[in-house]
Amino acid sequence: DQQVKQNSPSLSVQEGRISILNCDYTNSMFDYFLWYKKYPAEGPTFLISISSIKDKNEDGRFTVFLNKSAKHLSLHIVPSQPGDSAVYFCAARGFSGGYQKVTFGTGTKLQVIP
Amino acid sequence: EAGVTQSPTHLIKTRGQQATLRCSPISGHTSVYWYQQALGLGLQFLLWYDEGEERNRGNFPPRFSGRQFPNYSSELNVNALELEDSALYLCASSLTLGANTGELFFGEGSRLTVL
Repeated sequence: DQQVKQNSPSLSVQEGRISILNCDYTNSMFDYFLWYKKYPAEGPTFLISISSIKDKNEDGRFTVFLNKSAKHLSLHIVPSQPGDSAVYFCAARGFSGGYQKVTFGTGTKLQVIP
Repeated sequence: EAGVTQSPTHLIKTRGQQATLRCSPISGHTSVYWYQQALGLGLQFLLWYDEGEERNRGNFPPRFSGRQFPNYSSELNVNALELEDSALYLCASSLTLGANTGELFFGEGSRLTVL
């Protein structure tokens, strides 16, 4: 049961344009959503998060939007830069049996073309 | 401040052998998580340790086990290795439950290859 889904395995965007990465989830009890970026041969690094009580969080070029009714979140990168080329993982924090669990999506590989 | 460190970086084993992977969390972090990233797949949750106890376990067979030591470092053991265990094993740490928003800090991973 994949509770967090990233349906686009890859995305190509021109430098300077907007990158939009999407994520869908099924568990309405998730309370935090996070985005991680992963370069090859490195561990994922935290990028930005959003609480389930908010609908938008912005940090520089990165903005995450949350649509709870649609169980959908998206990460917008504006403007996109070649250094943004990486795999982006969507993640959600929930609780199972009283303990927290962070569930990751399968990732979207972003390529920003100079 | 040192980040999450994992060892070994690479490990090659044959089917049926055992593999042991190690992780040292960020100083002050008491929670350690293990994830498996197999080729073409996302991060699959394996195990979570907090304050020396196993708190949660993913959908993996019992031959995947681990422990957390008093200094909060952790070990992941994989017994009776199978070819499909070949993957990148990522360790992450965080502050304990209630003091974080789910943000995890990852190490660079241990690449296990089973021949």
